[in-house]
Amino acid sequence: AQSVTQLDSQVPVFEEAPVELRCNYSSSVSVYLFWYVQYPNQGLQLLLKYLSGSTLVKGINGFEAEFNKSQTSFHLRKPSVHISDTAEYFCAVGSYGGSQGNLIFGKGTKLSVKP
Amino acid sequence: EAGVAQSPRYKIIEKRQSVAFWCNPISGHATLYWYQQILGQGPKLLIQFQNNGVVDDSQLPKDRFSAERLKGVDSTLKIQPAKLEDSAVYLCASSLPKAYGYTFGSGTRLTVV
Repeated sequence: AQSVTQLDSQVPVFEEAPVELRCNYSSSVSVYLFWYVQYPNQGLQLLLKYLSGSTLVKGINGFEAEFNKSQTSFHLRKPSVHISDTAEYFCAVGSYGGSQGNLIFGKGTKLSVKP
Repeated sequence: EAGVAQSPRYKIIEKRQSVAFWCNPISGHATLYWYQQILGQGPKLLIQFQNNGVVDDSQLPKDRFSAERLKGVDSTLKIQPAKLEDSAVYLCASSLPKAYGYTFGSGTRLTVV
């Protein structure tokens, strides 16, 4: 069985500061991973995904994430955040060979960017 | 391209009543998903359709939840009768077949009182 742990439920940060949102997963098979962002009263928007290949993945809005198989992690980073990045971020994992649609989501990390 | 459309955006019902949600996926997306997102948690898959066939409904509480996908396009999710613990946001998503990652709608926020 797979699981996803987002280590921080809330992350406050000042504008223009760097940020890292942590995600660890557990799986006995090969995985693919996603980060989604959810703005208030909206659905989830795909930020980036790791399927295979290069472990450093770049996404929209200046975000990037690094897949670390040995650490079973997929942390999300941004070198300089903006007020508009305030939202909830979800890490999700799927397994190759399993049901393609059955992503397991973490509980989310609320990023709060302060001026 | 137009996104995934869902309606209504909000719904308040009393426990034991029934409710239905509607989803119109992106044109050409054969795969459609319904997720339940309870406050403070990540989304959980309820059911996955490929065209009008069910691929995975292992986490759908079938005693009270039902879903159908008419002609492989629109889909409805129904709860009958609703319980207090069904209060959540119900998200619909769609994708091309065998695509990794999909597009979500804005969701329907259900409050059961």
